Amino acid sequence: DIQMTQSPSTLSASEGDRVTITCRASQSISDRLAWYQQKPGKAPKLLIYKSSSLEYGVSSRFSGSGSGTEFTLTISSLQADDFATYYCQQYNSYSTFGQGTKVDIK
Amino acid sequence: QVQLVQSGAEVRKPGASVRVSCQASGYTFTSYSINWLRQAPGQRPEWMGWINTANGNTKYSQTFQDRVTFSRDTSATTAYMDLRRLKSEDTAVYYCARTILLSFGDLGDYFDYWGQGTLVTVSS
Repeated sequence: DIQMTQSPSTLSASEGDRVTITCRASQSISDRLAWYQQKPGKAPKLLIYKSSSLEYGVSSRFSGSGSGTEFTLTISSLQADDFATYYCQQYNSYSTFGQGTKVDIK
Repeated sequence: QVQLVQSGAEVRKPGASVRVSCQASGYTFTSYSINWLRQAPGQRPEWMGWINTANGNTKYSQTFQDRVTFSRDTSATTAYMDLRRLKSEDTAVYYCARTILLSFGDLGDYFDYWGQGTLVTVSS
């Protein structure tokens, strides 16, 4: 199984901050990586697919990059609605998720 | 608009079985696979497998292979997940989620639409 590791696990930030979350795969997954946002009691919401493609309707504050084993999600200017938990997901071999990064208010 | 609507919360005793349904609307049901995932409290989502809604083929995660069955009713645009021999560790929110049609091999896909989740509680 491909293991996905995110860092950091928790991130404290203020509105307007630029935030970067990293996701590492235990083996190469090409660009077959997605990012999700999840709020308490809700299903995950797709933000980015194919490493850097923005899902329709998602704010351009969100961007993704990377290939192979290292990937990043960047939020260019954190808004109040962005405080949530973020997960990466590889889909090169079945599907596995990172452990999540909780973005909370500093 | 695309919607996946799941059945309501369930409580079961250890050793029992549970069925969760996922009714799709707003798109052609047989043009996309339905995947099942679960998320235990405070944990990451865990993929359980998929069903190809066009031909009924299934792929199960090895973790669940001997205890889970996926099925679908194309006339009702509904997918079902049956989980048997429940244990307390199966307590989780179960989700259905849509991907492109998956047919064979180990390639997966990203999940563009999700159901609202169904809480399954296993307790004696």
